[in-house]
Amino acid sequence: QVQLQESGPGLVKPSQTLSLTCTVSGGSISSGTYYWSWIRQPAGKGLEYIGRIYTSGSTNYNPSLKSRVTISVDTSKNQFSLKLSSATAADTAVYYCSREEYQVIYRKTYYYGMDVWGQGTTVTVSS
Amino acid sequence: QSVLTQPPSASGTPGQRVTISCSGSSSNIESNTVNWYQQFPGTAPKLLIYSTNQRPSGVPDRFSGSKSGTSASLAISGLQSEDEADYYCAAWDDSQRPVFGGGTKLTVL
Repeated sequence: QVQLQESGPGLVKPSQTLSLTCTVSGGSISSGTYYWSWIRQPAGKGLEYIGRIYTSGSTNYNPSLKSRVTISVDTSKNQFSLKLSSATAADTAVYYCSREEYQVIYRKTYYYGMDVWGQGTTVTVSS
Repeated sequence: QSVLTQPPSASGTPGQRVTISCSGSSSNIESNTVNWYQQFPGTAPKLLIYSTNQRPSGVPDRFSGSKSGTSASLAISGLQSEDEADYYCAAWDDSQRPVFGGGTKLTVL
């Protein structure tokens, strides 16, 4: 059974880069047709998609964060990572990593929901 | 401001049937499938419904999903106290990213 675990600093200073890693256990990050995502949730608020990566290295980012986000994958370590530059207090949130299965049928991509999530890690941006 | 619109709260009594709505647009709900997530305080979201009306293994058949046009709904029949949680709808957008609703807090009276 695949499990995800986020790790990284819980406190980041304003203007610095927020860096998190998601470690995949119980299976290979390269197996199957999945993409791997970062989602965040400010306290008391809803979920926000940050971006995703495929094991091919292809990425997609939320347009509202695109200029500050980099997601990378290290298949040898079974991990993928998030970097969010120029952090501000507005980036304070619980950060989750997740996976979603997809399938391409007749050139259309079908997605089957984020079925595995990490437990989440709280990141506070403050001096 | 979430892309998908959900009522902030919903409530029902044990045994009752409750529905939670999710409103979107032609670029997301109308042209793509919808997922629903259940979240308890302090825990990660859990996939409840995928592909609009499919339940992952282990999800009771009391939970069902549907959509019509630019709107989707989650129905919970035989409401139980343990269903008290936050519920989020999500759908892929034609901009190639998933978009979420703002969440609905379900209270079991």
